[in-house]
Amino acid sequence: EVQLLESGGGLLQPGGSLRLSCAASGFSFNSFAMSWVRQAPGKGLEWVSTISGAGGITYDADSVKGRFTISRDNSKNTLFLQMESLRAEDTAVYYCAKGMTGKYYYFDSWGQGILVTVSS
Amino acid sequence: DIQMTQSPSSVSASVGDRVTITCRASQAIGSWLAWYQQKPGKAPKLLIYDASSLQSGVPSRFSGSGSGTDFTLTISSLQPEDFATYYCQQANSFPPFGGGTKVEIK
Repeated sequence: EVQLLESGGGLLQPGGSLRLSCAASGFSFNSFAMSWVRQAPGKGLEWVSTISGAGGITYDADSVKGRFTISRDNSKNTLFLQMESLRAEDTAVYYCAKGMTGKYYYFDSWGQGILVTVSS
Repeated sequence: DIQMTQSPSSVSASVGDRVTITCRASQAIGSWLAWYQQKPGKAPKLLIYDASSLQSGVPSRFSGSGSGTDFTLTISSLQPEDFATYYCQQANSFPPFGGGTKVEIK
């Protein structure tokens, strides 16, 4: 059974930094692209970033480009999102999501989500 | 950038009703479209991919159709557990989601 467990969320001030982690199990982690998707309170889903299985290719939404960095440690089956220069509009539940075989952007498994609140 | 527009934004329906949700892409995306279901406080769940392929374990009352710019999700006979918010998502490039359609109890 695929399991994705996010951690590292919390409350922080604008301009701060945070690193989210997503521990994966139940599948061959290095064979699948992984992504972060977020959802602001009461709002819809917003794709944030995607990383290829080997980690050599990444894509970021314009809203986070230059501030967020997606990475992975395949030896530890863990996905990361390094978040810098945080803004109030980054407040959201952040989900890690697994891509389907050969299809980066179909997300067939999701974590339970972790809340990041940016507020002074 | 490709924009995804869902309609309606909400729909009230009864158990047993047929429900149809529409998603329109701002440019052609072939069949690169997925549908997700999200219940309050829960992560989204993949229902349909490649516009019409049913994800494993998803009940057959869910179906998807369309290609190019116009897509449809149909629930043939609404069940109590189907009251949720549904999102389309294009997967042709960086994957924006539609705004969502909330299916509520009439």
